[in-house]
Amino acid sequence: RKEVEQDPGPFNVPEGATVAFNCTYSNSASQSFFWYRQDCRKEPKLLMSVYSSGNEDGRFTAQLNRASQYISLLIRDSKLSDSATYLCVVIPGDSSYKLIFGSGTRLLVRP
Amino acid sequence: SQTIHQWPATLVQPVGSPLSLECTVEGTSNPNLYWYRQAAGRGLQLLFYSVGIGQISSEVPQNLSASRPQDRQFILSSKKLLLSDSGFYLCAWSMGQGDYEQYFGPGTRLTVT
Repeated sequence: RKEVEQDPGPFNVPEGATVAFNCTYSNSASQSFFWYRQDCRKEPKLLMSVYSSGNEDGRFTAQLNRASQYISLLIRDSKLSDSATYLCVVIPGDSSYKLIFGSGTRLLVRP
Repeated sequence: SQTIHQWPATLVQPVGSPLSLECTVEGTSNPNLYWYRQAAGRGLQLLFYSVGIGQISSEVPQNLSASRPQDRQFILSSKKLLLSDSGFYLCAWSMGQGDYEQYFGPGTRLTVT
């Protein structure tokens, strides 16, 4: 089983739609969680940190469910510029340095 | 504000040739530094990390090595490249005091022919 698993997509949605991605992790001792965004052939950029029960930043909401070991990212009112790959990232409980990346979920927002 | 630089941006090298990729961070001191590789269509794989000058930890055995000659400089090297070394190499930094968020440089796209 992979340490961090994501649905690769692509999710193809119209502008203005609400879309949600899920990510599951295998290490129950994991303490820190993030969502990164990666545009084609570019570096990943930090989108949100998810430290406790979840947090919201504008149109983006991240949720953490420790009991079921999954993290979700909700994007409301999708924009064309939201088209990218969204990476779920977990720090295992035994290391504060090693980020474990999921393979990413690709989002395509169409006009 | 902090910035991270990597060069070169792209590189095409023949099998068996040496490699040197450089990463520098500005605007912070004593950062943690990281090298990742992303193969085509794959997730990011941590290769090395460093918590200080001369301190390198390797995550994956391979023909690559890393060095940190200065506080804000991180170098990835190889004596002889393999075809499987092709990929997108990313340097990242984070603060050293329990702040786990990592910030990535623009990357080097390496093609080994």
